Amino acid sequence: DVKVTQSSRYLVKRTGEKVFLECVQDMDHENMFWYRQDPGLGLRLIYFSYDVKMKEKGDIPEGYSVSREKKERFSLILESASTNQTSMYLCASTSGEAKNIQYFGAGTRLSVL
Amino acid sequence: AQSVAQPEDQVNVAEGNPLTVKCTYSVSGNPYLFWYVQYPNRGLQFLLKYITGDNLVKGSYGFEAEFNKSQTSFHLKKPSALVSDSALYFCAVRGGFKTIFGAGTRLFVKA
Repeated sequence: DVKVTQSSRYLVKRTGEKVFLECVQDMDHENMFWYRQDPGLGLRLIYFSYDVKMKEKGDIPEGYSVSREKKERFSLILESASTNQTSMYLCASTSGEAKNIQYFGAGTRLSVL
Repeated sequence: AQSVAQPEDQVNVAEGNPLTVKCTYSVSGNPYLFWYVQYPNRGLQFLLKYITGDNLVKGSYGFEAEFNKSQTSFHLKKPSALVSDSALYFCAVRGGFKTIFGAGTRLFVKA
């Protein structure tokens, strides 16, 4: 069974903290994605990666960075957390072709106080 | 630019009745269209997709979707709703590396 695992289900952080969200997939997928989900806005793409050490900005990259040192792992970094980054964060992966489905992790609900 | 619209924030239906969740899209070229479902405190799960071929696509849990090119729509349907179908449904269109998701429609099925 395919699996995308996000390291934390719930996180509470303070404003200004550096936050790491980790995602691991076991399907040998080339492409990995980070989204944030907010009510009424659907999923918005923060960053994606199509290969190890490669990254591309999505639609809302400001305040975030990513790291992909190994194929199976894609990390999202909040350099200095702010309250407007309180959200649900979803990681996903897919193999190369556009017609292929995305597999999602269970999500990390981040609260920044 | 690609876009997806889900015109209804919420759909209410009685158990046993048919359900429809609406989706329209805008894309250049051939569309790759998807439906995903999200249960509470979970990630998204794939339901079905349209790539090419028959306009009626069948997916998981008895769901199906009808691709209509002239109306640029991809509505999700089920002949007989179950209470357990209550969830958040997302329509999506894929082009290249990126997938564009709609805002989501919350489905409530009442017993």
